Amino acid sequence: KQEVTQIPAALSVPEGENLVLNCSFTDSAIYNLQWFRQDPGKGLTSLLLIQSSQREQTSGRLNASLDKSSGRSTLYIAASQPGDSATYLCAVKETSGSRLTFGEGTQLTVNP
Amino acid sequence: DVKVTQSSRYLVKRTGEKVFLECVQDMDHENMFWYRQDPGLGLRLIYFSYDVKMKEKGDIPEGYSVSREKKERFSLILESASTNQTSMYLCASSFPGPCCGHEQYFGPGTRLTVT
Repeated sequence: KQEVTQIPAALSVPEGENLVLNCSFTDSAIYNLQWFRQDPGKGLTSLLLIQSSQREQTSGRLNASLDKSSGRSTLYIAASQPGDSATYLCAVKETSGSRLTFGEGTQLTVNP
Repeated sequence: DVKVTQSSRYLVKRTGEKVFLECVQDMDHENMFWYRQDPGLGLRLIYFSYDVKMKEKGDIPEGYSVSREKKERFSLILESASTNQTSMYLCASSFPGPCCGHEQYFGPGTRLTVT
């Protein structure tokens, strides 16, 4: 059974820092990996989706990488801002079916 | 932009009531999902549907049922609400084709409290 782990569970940084969030998964037979952002009391917003054949995806200040063989993905946030404060979740889709397996998220606080 | 809407942001119901949570998506997605999210337990899949009138149980279907009579609408039903069903409920949709990679889009969530 696929398991997804996110470390650290919480992270607090000063504004302007570059930071890395980690996601690991136990079964490397994945179809893709998706990163989401969740603000308190709200739904999830899709940030980036990386197909299994890709190594990275970029959107603005966000860069997500995927190393399928080692079961790891990272989300890099450049020049962090207080507005980046949120919980970030990763989720993997396996090669069959439509379900996602989610990590429990990293709660990020960017201090002004 | 994909839009997924949920009928209520906040809902308070009494134990034993029948509760309907509605979800509508406007992108003609085949797949629709219901999750619940609880502190320390993360997101757990309750049910999903891959076509009209088609459904599959997720990880925690007990106490819930679903209905999908039209492609754009997926309803979650709590037959007899209990206090342990107090939670945040999230609906999502996705298109299963290779163009779109099964990317899931979420609604804003419904915070349900059962008293």
